[in-house]
Amino acid sequence: AQSVSQHNHHVILSEAASLELGCNYSYGGTVNLFWYVQYPGQHLQLLLKYFSGDPLVKGIKGFEAEFIKSKFSFNLRKPSVQWSDTAEYFCAVNAGSGGGADGLTFGKGTHLIIQP
Amino acid sequence: DGGITQSPKYLFRKEGQNVTLSCEQNLNHDAMYWYRQDPGQGLRLIYYSQIVNDFQKGDIAEGYSVSREKKESFPLTVTSAQKNPTAFYLCASSIGLRRGQETQYFGPGTRLLVL
Repeated sequence: AQSVSQHNHHVILSEAASLELGCNYSYGGTVNLFWYVQYPGQHLQLLLKYFSGDPLVKGIKGFEAEFIKSKFSFNLRKPSVQWSDTAEYFCAVNAGSGGGADGLTFGKGTHLIIQP
Repeated sequence: DGGITQSPKYLFRKEGQNVTLSCEQNLNHDAMYWYRQDPGQGLRLIYYSQIVNDFQKGDIAEGYSVSREKKESFPLTVTSAQKNPTAFYLCASSIGLRRGQETQYFGPGTRLLVL
């Protein structure tokens, strides 16, 4: 079974600061990787995803993530955060197509607060 | 509007009572999922269904049951066997054509509280 570890449970930054949220997973086979965001009072929505190909993926609202297979990592980055980025961020993984359960395994989340 | 609806928004359960959470989608998706979200715990998979009349247990299925009689509906019953049901329950769906390699779309959630 796979598992996901998010290193920071709470992060507080000032506007315009750079952001990097860590995500490591444990699974020996091919994986699909996701970052989801939950803004206050809103539905959980997809920020970006990686299935294959270029390990640097770009998502909505200026977010990007890099898949480093050797480190089992999929860290989320944004060069300059805004107050509107205040939200909870979840890293998630599932086994590659054809293997394992098809639901997602989530990390415990990182609560990001951006101070104006 | 296309999307996933969950009802009710808040649900109260008495001890020993079964309650059913509704999830409906009009996205024409084949696959549907139920997750439970607890503070500081992330989301955990309860049940999922890739096609009508078929479903599989997720990581924490004990004390829950589901049915999938219609493509657009995937109700979750929290039974009296679930000893710690207080949580936020999220329903999701995906197209279902490429298993695992799809975006899951989430509903607004139902918050279940035990009286």
